[in-house]
Amino acid sequence: AQSVAQPEDQVNVAEGNPLTVKCTYSVSGNPYLFWYVQYPNRGLQFLLKYITGDNLVKGSYGFEAEFNKSQTSFHLKKPSALVSDSALYFCAVRPNTDKLIFGTGTRLQVFP
Amino acid sequence: GAVVSQHPSRVICKSGTSVKIECRSLDFQATTMFWYRQFPKQSLMLMATSNEGSKATYEQGVEKDKFLINHASLTLSTLTVTSAHPEDSSFYICSAKAGRGDEKLFFGSGTQLSVL
Repeated sequence: AQSVAQPEDQVNVAEGNPLTVKCTYSVSGNPYLFWYVQYPNRGLQFLLKYITGDNLVKGSYGFEAEFNKSQTSFHLKKPSALVSDSALYFCAVRPNTDKLIFGTGTRLQVFP
Repeated sequence: GAVVSQHPSRVICKSGTSVKIECRSLDFQATTMFWYRQFPKQSLMLMATSNEGSKATYEQGVEKDKFLINHASLTLSTLTVTSAHPEDSSFYICSAKAGRGDEKLFFGSGTQLSVL
């Protein structure tokens, strides 16, 4: 079955430190990969996506994600975390259809 | 960016009653809207794809008679949970496509349904 795994319910990081939010997937073929962010009382917002090409994808708010085909991973990263980055982050994949398959979400908490 | 408004944000109802959730695209027209459900510590699961002016397409395992979807205009889709039961308690999220491209998919802020 096709699935997306976000192994961490919550990630805690101090402001100014690098952050990583993990995502692995199990999907056949060459899916599109996404990260979305949800701030409190707001809808999910598109952050970045990977289709093909360079394995390091840059997105909004200084975030980037690294695609690793051999490990079927698409971890979200940021070199220096901000308190305002605290939110819920969802990884998603889209196989060769229109449907998005989401992970369970990871809550990022950045402490001052 | 485009805005999708979802109401209500939270609803508590008695078992056996019906609940309607609205999803509106405020500044764009959406021929396609999607409805998701999320149980605690689980993924967002696609329930159905709503197309303006036609019947919704339901995912396998989703009861179309229980989860009625109406997409009567290009800016409004509604999800009605009929005869709600405690097991229907969940977080429901809608999304709407503002155009071609993955960046054009916008989400509502969700509705937390609690059935007593």
